[in-house]
Amino acid sequence: EAQVTQNPRYLITVTGKKLTVTCSQNMNHEYMSWYRQDPGLGLRQIYYSMNVEVTDKGDVPEGYKVSRKEKRNFPLILESPSPNQTSLYFCASSFSSSGYYGYTFGSGTRLTVV
Amino acid sequence: KNEVEQSPQNLTAQEGEFITINCSYSVGISALHWLQQHPGGGIVSLFMLSSGKKKHGRLIATINIQEKHSSLHITASHPRDSAVYICAVRRNKLVFGAGTILRVKS
Repeated sequence: EAQVTQNPRYLITVTGKKLTVTCSQNMNHEYMSWYRQDPGLGLRQIYYSMNVEVTDKGDVPEGYKVSRKEKRNFPLILESPSPNQTSLYFCASSFSSSGYYGYTFGSGTRLTVV
Repeated sequence: KNEVEQSPQNLTAQEGEFITINCSYSVGISALHWLQQHPGGGIVSLFMLSSGKKKHGRLIATINIQEKHSSLHITASHPRDSAVYICAVRRNKLVFGAGTILRVKS
């Protein structure tokens, strides 16, 4: 089954404790991206990747890191999480960055930083 | 002013009703996407439009590039259609509307 797999689904952590949210796709998609969703603010892009070893900042990159060492994986790293990073996170992938192909979203990761 | 405006913000319909959700955007785009987010949180891509009209089951999406406007129609609505519907436009990245919360009552 074609899918984007995010882990974990739920995570409660403490301020400052480094964490990684994994994202993996099995569709050989070139384009992958991370979004956060907050009440009243909607979905906002954090980082995106056009292909292996090619990443760039989205609208809200502060406090996050990403890497794209393999085509299928695009982990989101929070080096020192803070409470304002409490949010619902989505990873998505698409065949290309052109926008002419649909996006496949992961199931989401609900992160709480206390 | 947001680049992507959706209306209405909230919509309650009776089962069987014809539903329309509107999306207007203010910038040049390469494509427009309609997404569905169920109460559990997962997001599903419904349509990608660059022109004209697309239909999938009871869902119909249209776009008018000149008027910078798109509509999502649901025919013969059903309680399982209850979800948040999100319009997103593609420029050099996806820019999202705030979403329309749809509730279909039986």
